[in-house]
Order: sequence, then C-alpha cells, then structure tokens
Amino acid sequence: DAGITQSPRHKVTETGTPVTLRCHQTENHRYMYWYRQDPGHGLRLIHYSYGVKDTDKGEVSDGYSVSRSKTEDFLLTLESATSSQTSVYFCAILEPGDSSYEQYFGPGTRLTVT
Amino acid sequence: DQQVKQNSPSLSVQEGRISILNCDYTNSMFDYFLWYKKYPAEGPTFLISISSIKDKNEDGRFTVFLNKSAKHLSLHIVPSQPGDSAVYFCAAISIKAAGNKLTFGGGTRVLVKP
Repeated sequence: DAGITQSPRHKVTETGTPVTLRCHQTENHRYMYWYRQDPGHGLRLIHYSYGVKDTDKGEVSDGYSVSRSKTEDFLLTLESATSSQTSVYFCAILEPGDSSYEQYFGPGTRLTVT
Repeated sequence: DQQVKQNSPSLSVQEGRISILNCDYTNSMFDYFLWYKKYPAEGPTFLISISSIKDKNEDGRFTVFLNKSAKHLSLHIVPSQPGDSAVYFCAAISIKAAGNKLTFGGGTRVLVKP
C-alpha cells in the first residue's frame, strides 16, 4: 500500500463547470503524476510534479491544470469540463531508487461530464 | 503515434496453461520496462520490470523477456490462474529523460477459464 488516496472517487458534472480532483499521499514521495485511462489508449500522462510548486506537462495536458502547494497533495483542475474529459483519472507516485522506477497508483476517480 | 503498442486487445487461456502477452515499442531511448495488472474499479498494480541491460527477469509465475533488437517484450504467466483475469499494461521509460515518465500500451484483457 503506497498510501495514496484520491477524492472524490466518483463525480458527475455538467459541461462548462470547473472540477478539481485531489490526490493525497502520506509518504513524502517527490514525484506525483496524473493520468487518464480511456479504452484502447491505456494510461496517458496529463501532468506531473517533481516537487512542491514544480510541475510539467504530459502528453494530454490541454484543458487541465495542476497545483502542488504541499508535498502530500497534488490537485488536478479541469477549468471548464468538456464531454471529452469523461474518463477515469489515476494519480501515481514515484520515489526513484537504485534501478527502481515503479510508479504506484491510487484507486482512481471516475469523472462523467454530461 | 503510439510509442508502446499491445496489439492483442484480449486473450483467453485455460487455467493451468501459459499466458503470453506481447508488447512492442518504437522509441529506442526506452531503457526500462514494466508490466502492470489492473482489476476493474482499482488502480493498476505493479507486477514486474526489466532493465534494458537484461533479456529476462523472473518473479514466481511471472517472467518478462526483452528483445532489444526487435523492440519487443513479452510477459509469460505460468501456470495461469483464474485470479490472473485482469487487464495487463506494459509501460516503458527513458531513465535519462526528465520526469521519470511512463509511456503505456493500450492494454490486453486476459481471461483465464477454470
């Protein structure tokens, strides 16, 4: 158990509304990631963070922003939700070690945009 | 352009037999590879990994093979058990690139029949 929680676990929202998803970790891992999972696409990286206030874009970052003001929390915001952002969102953490690059995932948030 | 591909979206195998999952990649900068297993409504869980300096890594019933010249890796599960029924994702990383970012394949759904 990597000590990762995500909230909310499920959310239904309307097109055009802002939405914030939260990822919380308890073990002070430096790296945190947000992915979305869609059928046929596997998991695609949205944004990641390599420290407090240090973030960078992934391959599908358009329409999303992130913030990390504390080590333990990484927030993903959809400024104006669209139906194409209906997906399952996963947060992950990484603490690189010697020859070790495994990321550990949270339970996911299922977001439906109507 | 998908850099990591799993060309078989599904696989059905009899309990006790071998399951072989395949993954191809195009980016020659990838130097570490991972397999994840995912049950419905849960986050992916790390299964096994392999560095590009090796061609085989074994952990219990799971063995990963890497053919660098063919840019191909495979996961063997033997013997397959009903609890192995899940979606399996392969992932790749370029250790030298910033962010320790994983690139995932689209996944293979495995069904193990009793």
